[in-house]
Amino acid sequence: QVQLQESGPGLVKPSETLSLTCTVSGGSISGYYWNWIRQPPGKGLEWIGFNHYSGSTKYNPSLKSRVTISVDTSKNQFSLRLSTVTAADTATYYCARGRMVNGGMDVWGQGTTVTVSS
Amino acid sequence: DIVVTQSPDSLAVSLGERATINCRSSQSVLYSSNNKNYLAWYQQKPGQPPKLLIHWASTRESGVPDRFSGSGSGTDFTLTISSLQAEDVAVYYCQQYYNTPWTFGQGTKVEI
Repeated sequence: QVQLQESGPGLVKPSETLSLTCTVSGGSISGYYWNWIRQPPGKGLEWIGFNHYSGSTKYNPSLKSRVTISVDTSKNQFSLRLSTVTAADTATYYCARGRMVNGGMDVWGQGTTVTVSS
Repeated sequence: DIVVTQSPDSLAVSLGERATINCRSSQSVLYSSNNKNYLAWYQQKPGQPPKLLIHWASTRESGVPDRFSGSGSGTDFTLTISSLQAEDVAVYYCQQYYNTPWTFGQGTKVEI
């Protein structure tokens, strides 16, 4: 059964770049959309963007200029880079698999909390 | 962007009673070529990631109890829990995947 696991620093300084990796185990990267979603403390879910396994990407326009999502098929991993962070980027970050056929995001990582603070 | 709005923000339901959550999108998420509504429902319990319950607005995921059902089309959708169980206490989100940016409703908290 497919599992996702986020990894990366839990603390990032303002104006620096947040970098997270999601490792996919038990399945292949091929055939899916690989997503990042975040959830500020006590708030709702915000879709950040995805990288389709073919390499095409879509990002939330609210973050587009600061976001890069990349896929490394050789490592079965995908990554998030969010530049020039501020306190407003403090959140739990989830990686999730998006389905091409039925839609929806059916497999999620447990989430990793990132705090932006000096 | 398609704005997705849920109502109510929270509701309290007695054990065994019905819970109904509404979700409205600012434009239709029905794709005419395949007659499918590009809408999903998720359940999020405290300290856990969201869990996909329903896709295509009304198709339950494998393993989801049949007390959960989705309905609606176009811009108006409903998630119904027919007989609330203690383990159903959670926040529920709807999400459209008709257009990017994919967007979520603000969530509905269900309590006993």
